[in-house]
Amino acid sequence: NAGVTQTPKFQVLKTGQSMTLQCAQDMNHNSMYWYRQDPGMGLRLIYYSASEGTTDKGEVPNGYNVSRLNKREFSLRLESAAPSQTSVYFCASWGGRGKETQYFGPGTRLLVL
Amino acid sequence: QQQVKQSPQSLIVQKGGISIINCAYENTAFDYFPWYQQFPGKGPALLIAIRPDVSEKKEGRFTISFNKSAKQFSLHIMDSQPGDSATYFCASNRRGNEKLTFGTGTRLTIIP
Repeated sequence: NAGVTQTPKFQVLKTGQSMTLQCAQDMNHNSMYWYRQDPGMGLRLIYYSASEGTTDKGEVPNGYNVSRLNKREFSLRLESAAPSQTSVYFCASWGGRGKETQYFGPGTRLLVL
Repeated sequence: QQQVKQSPQSLIVQKGGISIINCAYENTAFDYFPWYQQFPGKGPALLIAIRPDVSEKKEGRFTISFNKSAKQFSLHIMDSQPGDSATYFCASNRRGNEKLTFGTGTRLTIIP
């Protein structure tokens, strides 16, 4: 089991460029999440998907879009990157009944110049 | 936005000492209180969790103390070791809600 995987590990963008962060989990979990982590701000939820085909906004959704392609994959898209989106992005999935915790990927470090 | 307030923001403890990190929550419906540990360059990972039917849970050197009336819970790390140096996040949610509310994190440094 690879758990939760994310690509890329690191990316530099110029303001206005677009990119998609990829996430996949092989644990057959229904729920998946995208967070951003900034110093002193903790983990803030960007978007959440309870199941394939459903997505909900989290605390900081502006400037982002998501796609739940199938049960395994949940991607995060920045259509027009801004310096304020410089952050570390984490994807996570929820273990469900009996394993009630979130499993996190290793993160994507994004720098927007 | 229901909050979980975590303190301190950073903590330095000598090797062998006790590290204590505190969290306070607002939503009285919350009934799951996990702590996550994050090493540099890695994603957070579950360390220990408690439900409000008990006031304390211990796993090795790590203990959660829970005070329901005060709406507070804390992480105690006994005999702290340099390998415990990491960022710690508290979180909470209500049973059946798969979205966690996280604290802002505590950067713990254990010095020799």
